[in-house]
Amino acid sequence: NAGVMQNPRHLVRRRGQEARLRCSPMKGHSHVYWYRQLPEEGLKFMVYLQKENIIDESGMPKERFSAEFPKEGPSILRIQQVVRGDSAAYFCASSPLSVETGAGANVLTFGAGSRLTVL
Amino acid sequence: AQTVTQSQPEMSVQEAETVTLSCTYDTSENNYYLFWYKQPPSRQMILVIRQEAYKQQNATENRFSVNFQKAAKSFSLKISDSQLGDTAMYFCAFMKHWFTGDMRFGAGTRLTVKP
Repeated sequence: NAGVMQNPRHLVRRRGQEARLRCSPMKGHSHVYWYRQLPEEGLKFMVYLQKENIIDESGMPKERFSAEFPKEGPSILRIQQVVRGDSAAYFCASSPLSVETGAGANVLTFGAGSRLTVL
Repeated sequence: AQTVTQSQPEMSVQEAETVTLSCTYDTSENNYYLFWYKQPPSRQMILVIRQEAYKQQNATENRFSVNFQKAAKSFSLKISDSQLGDTAMYFCAFMKHWFTGDMRFGAGTRLTVKP
């Protein structure tokens, strides 16, 4: 059973270009979460999605960032017109059920991350 | 707002010895979950141990155990018989009982196990 798959592992973009990061959740998982990790910091929540729905995007920057989780295919985190401050590791996590119930303290399974470098 | 504080940016320990990593948190919630994640150089986030706040018994996973002090809002991780493979960044994390996706992480402690 493959874990959470993220690609690309490394992405280099010049200022002003677009970055697209992909995340395939674990088999059977229908909830996806995106986190960002700046150098020497912990992970910070960005967005929580279910299939075709954004549940919570309170951690997403208001501009240039968007996320989707279509009915078919991976979840995509899209950053338009990248700036140097977007350089970071972006982690995706998935869970089988909504963890809102708290039942069994559903654990998020993380991918290995995608490292974005903006030149 | 929930915050998680790890006051030790770096620590080191000799192989086979015991080390304790500190974590404190601030919340007004009564029911919540606490986690320790390990991030080795590969950057993969690996769950080490988790604790439900409503359970008084401290969680244990092999060489890893926690000291959960709910009143003090403290959640320390003890690693016994340290191994070279334990070298990694360790992150303490908080999850509300009614989770919306926003798991709060501390800034991390870099642990080095020396041979």
